Amino acid sequence: SQQGEEDPQALSIQEGENATMNCSYKTSINNLQWYRQNSGRGLVHLILIRSNEREKHSGRLRVTLDTSKKSSSLLITASRAADTASYFCATATQGGSEKLVFGKGTKLTVNP
Amino acid sequence: NAGVMQNPRHLVRRRGQEARLRCSPMKGHSHVYWYRQLPEEGLKFMVYLQKENIIDESGMPKERFSAEFPKEGPSILRIQQVVRGDSAAYFCASSPGGENIQYFGAGTRLSVL
Repeated sequence: SQQGEEDPQALSIQEGENATMNCSYKTSINNLQWYRQNSGRGLVHLILIRSNEREKHSGRLRVTLDTSKKSSSLLITASRAADTASYFCATATQGGSEKLVFGKGTKLTVNP
Repeated sequence: NAGVMQNPRHLVRRRGQEARLRCSPMKGHSHVYWYRQLPEEGLKFMVYLQKENIIDESGMPKERFSAEFPKEGPSILRIQQVVRGDSAAYFCASSPGGENIQYFGAGTRLSVL
């Protein structure tokens, strides 16, 4: 079954604005990760948050994790046109193998 | 340190032929994962291997698909007797294990005619 589900499916904003994407999941996890994919390319790892962490920052990225609600959010501040990409959350299930379970992604368009 | 290398980048096969996709993990990484991505979809896990061992193949179709990661050389994902529904992007990732950050290759786009 699909583990991570991102919303919105698509998001269009102006350069300089903030972008927020959400992810929900179903099972207990060891960690949750966010990846970015430019059209036709591979995935680039952005940030990992462990199940015992609530918030994490990396540059213009801020990730939160609420294990009681089984949800996470990714905030990109002061967006740039180069941030245009699809963003995926992926979970590593507690007690499972090391496989990652991906959501369908949020397609972000940042207009110059 | 080169990243995860996949080849070929694009592969065209006719129905019934075999497809072989190769993946060389990052230097020092002994864990390899294969995922499949359909257009406008997320990645779906297929198989997780360590050197000479299949650890988790729960996402692999039971027939026609196989994977290996030999002691020497790249990991191979093999699809026998391809059908149109096998058309997708196949991504390989590697990790050193532990924290489970996976580093992805650029993918192989398989088109079955």
